[in-house]
Amino acid sequence: EPEVTQTPSHQVTQMGQEVILRCVPISNHLYFYWYRQILGQKVEFLVSFYNNEISEKSEIFDDQFSVERPDGSNFTLKIRSTKLEDSAMYFCASSKDRVEQYFGPGTRLTVT
Amino acid sequence: GNSVTQMEGPVTLSEEAFLTINCTYTATGYPSLFWYVQYPGEGLQLLLKATKADDKGSNKGFEATYRKETTSFHLEKGSVQVSDSAVYFCALDTGGGYQKVTFGTGTKLQVIP
Repeated sequence: EPEVTQTPSHQVTQMGQEVILRCVPISNHLYFYWYRQILGQKVEFLVSFYNNEISEKSEIFDDQFSVERPDGSNFTLKIRSTKLEDSAMYFCASSKDRVEQYFGPGTRLTVT
Repeated sequence: GNSVTQMEGPVTLSEEAFLTINCTYTATGYPSLFWYVQYPGEGLQLLLKATKADDKGSNKGFEATYRKETTSFHLEKGSVQVSDSAVYFCALDTGGGYQKVTFGTGTKLQVIP
């Protein structure tokens, strides 16, 4: 069964560094999303992406964040200058028809 | 705005006990409702869903009924197993637009032999 994949599974970075989290959505899906889950807290929506544009973003998704679909298969989340509070599990999701989202296994980001 | 409220955890049950995890929601429009499960060290998996009032979603012995009159979507299972130990998230999506899912805080379930 097709699945969403994410790399790396765990990323450790120093405060102020840039990180890129990578996702490969399911191949025939058109809608892409990023969510994050700070340890012990709820899963929070960050951004949705369709037709090479951001379609919606939350207040968390400030100028430090950006998303890109650099080719036909990858979907990336970039954090320009990481802060300690960016430490979280980041989930990518994709959807074919906006009825159901399929989530990846997540990337655990640790900012030291 | 949209919100989901789940019962606080952790919930600890003995194997074969009956499980209920309460979930209520606030939403504009007519949301679709979901339960996601997160096993230790893994990502989110869709457990079941219901897209309109009175629908019952079911999967792996779990079920939940979309109750519009009480704005609830409680998760139930008749006989839990140790392998059901996980965190369960209730969620909603009001559809239209580009569909962001709003999650509850999650309820950790621990099943002991």
